[in-house]
Order: sequence, then C-alpha cells, then structure tokens
Amino acid sequence: SQTIHQWPATLVQPVGSPLSLECTVEGTSNPNLYWYRQAAGRGLQLLFYSVGIGQISSEVPQNLSASRPQDRQFILSSKKLLLSDSGFYLCAWGRMREQFFGPGTRLTVL
Amino acid sequence: GIQVEQSPPDLILQEGANSTLRCNFSDSVNNLQWFHQNPWGQLINLFYIPSGTKQNGRLSATTVATERYSLLYISSSQTTDSGVYFCAVPLTGANNLFFGTGTRLTVIP
Repeated sequence: SQTIHQWPATLVQPVGSPLSLECTVEGTSNPNLYWYRQAAGRGLQLLFYSVGIGQISSEVPQNLSASRPQDRQFILSSKKLLLSDSGFYLCAWGRMREQFFGPGTRLTVL
Repeated sequence: GIQVEQSPPDLILQEGANSTLRCNFSDSVNNLQWFHQNPWGQLINLFYIPSGTKQNGRLSATTVATERYSLLYISSSQTTDSGVYFCAVPLTGANNLFFGTGTRLTVIP
C-alpha cells in the first residue's frame, strides 16, 4: 500500500530564515506530487505540482520554491521566510484522478 | 475560474443525528473528491465520486454531474465525525484539485 510522509510535523522559524520541508511517498512510482498550503480557518491553496523528476509547476507567485530531486521526493523551500508564510503545509500524491494527503507540517513564522 | 461552494459553512449536531452537506460547482467536472479534515489536520479521503452514488458505512455520497452538485450524507453521527469536510474538483492539467471552503461539523455528545 502507498504511504506518504512529511517532516517535520511542526516548525517555528524566525522571519528571514530559510525553510526546507520534505515529502516522500512509498509504494508507488512516478506519482504526481503536490504542495498545498492552508491558512488558519481557511481552505487549501495549491502551491506547486510535479509530474516527474525536475518538473515543477508553480500556481502562486511567492517566495517559496519546490524541487523534485527523486521520483518519490518533493521538497518545499524558501531562502527567507515571511510572516505570511505561516500556515499548514500539506503534500499530496496523485493516482489517476485521486489525490492522497500526508499528515502536514504546521509552520509558524515569528 | 471554477467556483466551488459548500453549505452550510458550520453545522452542529447532537450525536446520533443525520446530516447532509452540499457542494455546488460552477463548471462541468470529471472528478470530485470528498475529504474529512480531522482536528489534527489530517485530510482523509472519503469518496472519489465523479458521478452516481457510493456508500461507505455510515457515510454516502451522491454526485449529479449534469446539475453540478454533490451531496455527502452522514448518518448516526458520532463525535469522531467532527472536523471540516471539503469537496474538491480538478482544475486543468495534472489533475490539480480546487478545494471548496469547507463545512465545519461539530458533533456534541
């Protein structure tokens, strides 16, 4: 069966510091991978998606970036965090037309 | 772009009661998913239901694609059903999902 992992689970970072969130998927090959962000009390917003290694599409202009160095690894990064980057970050993988989500990373930028 | 509206935005139920959650979407879609986000933030897949009716235990869902809506039925609600329920439909390309604003369900004992 397929499993999706995210770490860390929670993170508190100062404004201006770098960020690296990691997502890995097990039990499937060549999945579509996605990063979403959820602000407190709101719905999910798609940030990035990837259909293969090195292939990244950005949905929202921002100071975040994504990379896919391996088939089942998806990384969300920032060089300098902003207060507005606080939120709940969810990674997902896609099969056919379904998506399945990881446990999320709760990021607080102070 | 596509609009996805969910109603009601908030719902409070006594344990054991039944409820119906609605998802309306503005454009034709070939995919619709229902999710439950539990109090810890985990998004749990409930149904992948582009059309027709599916049932899973106390939950069932119906999508009428031609009329652009989907319904999620919860019967005999339990406190563990509390959380936020989202419907999501695809945007163009790579099966990206666009999420509705959600229905926050609170089941009280």
